[in-house]
Amino acid sequence: DSGVTQTPKHLITATGQRVTLRCSPRSGDLSVYWYQQSLDQGLQFLIQYYNGEERAKGNILERFSAQQFPDLHSELNLSSLELGDSALYFCASSGNSGNTIYFGEGSWLTVV
Amino acid sequence: AQSVTQPDIHITVSEGASLELRCNYSYGATPYLFWYVQSPGQGLQLLLKYFSGDTLVQGIKGFEAEFKRSQSSFNLRKPSVHWSDAAEYFCAVLPDSWGKLQFGAGTQVVVTP
Repeated sequence: DSGVTQTPKHLITATGQRVTLRCSPRSGDLSVYWYQQSLDQGLQFLIQYYNGEERAKGNILERFSAQQFPDLHSELNLSSLELGDSALYFCASSGNSGNTIYFGEGSWLTVV
Repeated sequence: AQSVTQPDIHITVSEGASLELRCNYSYGATPYLFWYVQSPGQGLQLLLKYFSGDTLVQGIKGFEAEFKRSQSSFNLRKPSVHWSDAAEYFCAVLPDSWGKLQFGAGTQVVVTP
């Protein structure tokens, strides 16, 4: 158990819909990261937050957005969903040094 | 361009045999190096990491990895594989403390009886 908690574990939704994935980082970790894992793209970095502020952005679509709240939990919002958005979405967190990143078990999103 | 390469997409090994997974990176300076494992239907679990110092690092589940600067490699090894080691293994690189963790494409390990 990495200490990073993600909900929901599985989600099935229709095209055009919007979903929110939730992440609680390890206790004390200020950084939260979101990654997408798909068969064709592999593991792709989406976005990083540090103590509530966006720190780095990767290959995140404009239809996707994220935020980190004062209690440090984070949410990834995916809107206008397309079939290609079906993937495993990981949240990860790290401490002050930032150099060891621990991953949650992921949220499986299926868009039908 | 910065990259992480895992040359082997798929490896089959017999239970009890040794295992070595290759990882090469291309970065200007030595980055932080990691190996993660993903069991079927599971998340990514950190096996081990290398930041500096001793080039042979020990991890969990009996794994070790050796950093070779001259070869820009960070290969993962296990002397005797167990059936529970069947999983996908990812090498990952962090260019600096606050960079983006970049993953290789992964190596799928199948363990046969």
